[in-house]
Amino acid sequence: KAGVTQTPRYLIKTRGQQVTLSCSPISGHRSVSWYQQTPGQGLQFLFEYFSETQRNKGNFPGRFSGRQFSNSRSEMNVSTLELGDSALYLCASTNPGTGALDTQYFGPGTRLTVL
Amino acid sequence: DAKTTQPTSMDCAEGRAANLPCNHSTISGNEYVYWYRQIHSQGPQYIIHGLKNNETNEMASLIITEDRKSSTLILPHATLRDTAVYYCIVISNFGNEKLTFGTGTRLTIIP
Repeated sequence: KAGVTQTPRYLIKTRGQQVTLSCSPISGHRSVSWYQQTPGQGLQFLFEYFSETQRNKGNFPGRFSGRQFSNSRSEMNVSTLELGDSALYLCASTNPGTGALDTQYFGPGTRLTVL
Repeated sequence: DAKTTQPTSMDCAEGRAANLPCNHSTISGNEYVYWYRQIHSQGPQYIIHGLKNNETNEMASLIITEDRKSSTLILPHATLRDTAVYYCIVISNFGNEKLTFGTGTRLTIIP
């Protein structure tokens, strides 16, 4: 079974631009969570989507948004990029309610650099 | 509020067993112990999890003390590719729970 895939793997943008990152979960997984990871702040939760609905949201400004499609693929968008948005953006998928503890499986991440 | 404490770093000789400890003295009855690892700049990789019984899979073994206040992840025959940061976390339900990694243990496998 293929793992979580994220595209692109690397991205360089300038301040003020916007960016869209994509995540394809493991086949059959219906929940997708997004995280931001930086050396200073560690892993921080952005939001979680399940069945095309945002179920949980972390403490990030409204510039960070996401969505999920009917095939469970998800995108996240960051508008008006700031230097501090430079980070590794991780997507994790799981299949809630399967009767077992819902282990999250991560993708390889998208490394975003804002200049 | 750190739920787990781990040593900052450890070294292990290639081919030997790597034993990574984790303290989780405030763990509650419905919380599982999970281990992930992260190789530099890659996504975290799930390793293993357990509730109170010892667990083994193709990657590692997890030994949980009887009082569940600590655990040890064992990589039986460490290779250079096992060099990574290892995170121990406790979590009750992934459905609505957001993962938070502490600083983890940086494991270096020495040739």
